[in-house]
Amino acid sequence: GEDVEQSLFLSVREGDSSVINCTYTDSSSTYLYWYKQEPGAGLQLLTYIFSNMDMKQDQRLTVLLNKKDKHLSLRIADTQTGDSAIYFCADWYNNNDMRFGAGTRLTVKP
Amino acid sequence: DSGVTQTPKHLITATGQRVTLRCSPRSGDLSVYWYQQSLDQGLQFLIQYYNGEERAKGNILERFSAQQFPDLHSELNLSSLELGDSALYFCASSPRVGNTEAFFGQGTRLTVV
Repeated sequence: GEDVEQSLFLSVREGDSSVINCTYTDSSSTYLYWYKQEPGAGLQLLTYIFSNMDMKQDQRLTVLLNKKDKHLSLRIADTQTGDSAIYFCADWYNNNDMRFGAGTRLTVKP
Repeated sequence: DSGVTQTPKHLITATGQRVTLRCSPRSGDLSVYWYQQSLDQGLQFLIQYYNGEERAKGNILERFSAQQFPDLHSELNLSSLELGDSALYFCASSPRVGNTEAFFGQGTRLTVV
């Protein structure tokens, strides 16, 4: 199986909160990341969390890390149509490799 | 704008040909990473350079090679191209070897016909 897993699709209404979930397998992962990719664009680093943290908040974004369950989530508050994109979870491990999930396509309906 | 520049943005070439993709990292970043994004394989790490030296190798084919020059820009060379090499190729850079923050370029879309 894949080392980093995400559900492929999420659809929410504008103004609602979005929660994108990710699981990873390697307990030695030191950093975990969320990237956003808009159509035709590169990956934009949204936020990252160090593995000894439980939570990180940055404006509308909240990252929760459950290290015991190897579960990472990204919550986007007050989701807007401009948030529609593919969101990639990634982990950094072994000091030399970043592994990405398949990406979750977030669709925000007006 | 991430500060990472990749050229060209689009490239169309025939099977069997060779191409070179170029990446300029963010100012001050010593580490450069190359990734391939395709529909069936997702985002795959290819190779990393740090200050001119190869640091780590991922799923990079033998037909592919890369280098990082003294001015820290990097090139990814793809040879004997096959249809399956069609993908988005991303370059990312970070200040150090340990990847606390990696910033990605816009990518080069390679189409092999």
